[in-house]
Amino acid sequence: QQQVKQSPQSLIVQKGGIPIINCAYENTAFDYFPWYQQFPGKGPALLIAIRPDVSEKKEGRFTISFNKSAKQFSLHIMDSQPGDSATYFCAASQQGGSNYKLTFGKGTLLTVNP
Amino acid sequence: DAGVTQSPTHLIKTRGQQVTLRCSPKSGHDTVSWYQQALGQGPQFIFQYYEEEERQRGNFPDRFSGHQFPNYSSELNVNALLLGDSALYLCASTGWGIGNTIYFGEGSWLTVV
Repeated sequence: QQQVKQSPQSLIVQKGGIPIINCAYENTAFDYFPWYQQFPGKGPALLIAIRPDVSEKKEGRFTISFNKSAKQFSLHIMDSQPGDSATYFCAASQQGGSNYKLTFGKGTLLTVNP
Repeated sequence: DAGVTQSPTHLIKTRGQQVTLRCSPKSGHDTVSWYQQALGQGPQFIFQYYEEEERQRGNFPDRFSGHQFPNYSSELNVNALLLGDSALYLCASTGWGIGNTIYFGEGSWLTVV
């Protein structure tokens, strides 16, 4: 059973565009929602994370929008650049009780054309 | 400040063999988790170690085992390797408690032939 569903599988935008990647979760006990960026041959790097007590979080060009009632969250990349071309993973965990197991989506391959 | 470090970077093993992968957590971190990432997939949780004990385990067979040392470093052992074990194995570390960020290493690429 896939607990975190991510879409789209791949996404192509032009430089300066605003790609949006969406995730939906099933487990209402999840209370930590990070996004990771992964380049080919590298490990995932934490991009930005949000907790369900806020509806939006912005760090630089990256913004997470969170809808607790719909159990959905999304990543927006403002003014996208070719260097943003990578695979993006959403994840979720239930950190209460010191549980650090992350459940990942299947990833979105983002291509930003010059 | 070194991040999460893993070794070896790449290795090739034969079906049926055993492999040991190593991880040093980020400075100040005491909790280590291991993930398996197949090509084109998201990472899958294998298990988590804290205070030298396995605290949580994902849906992986007993062929996958681990260990955490007093200095918080960790090993992942896989016995009786199968072709399907070919993947990127990622180590992640954090500090025990609520609200701590999880950092990943660059991974160890395992190819089983």
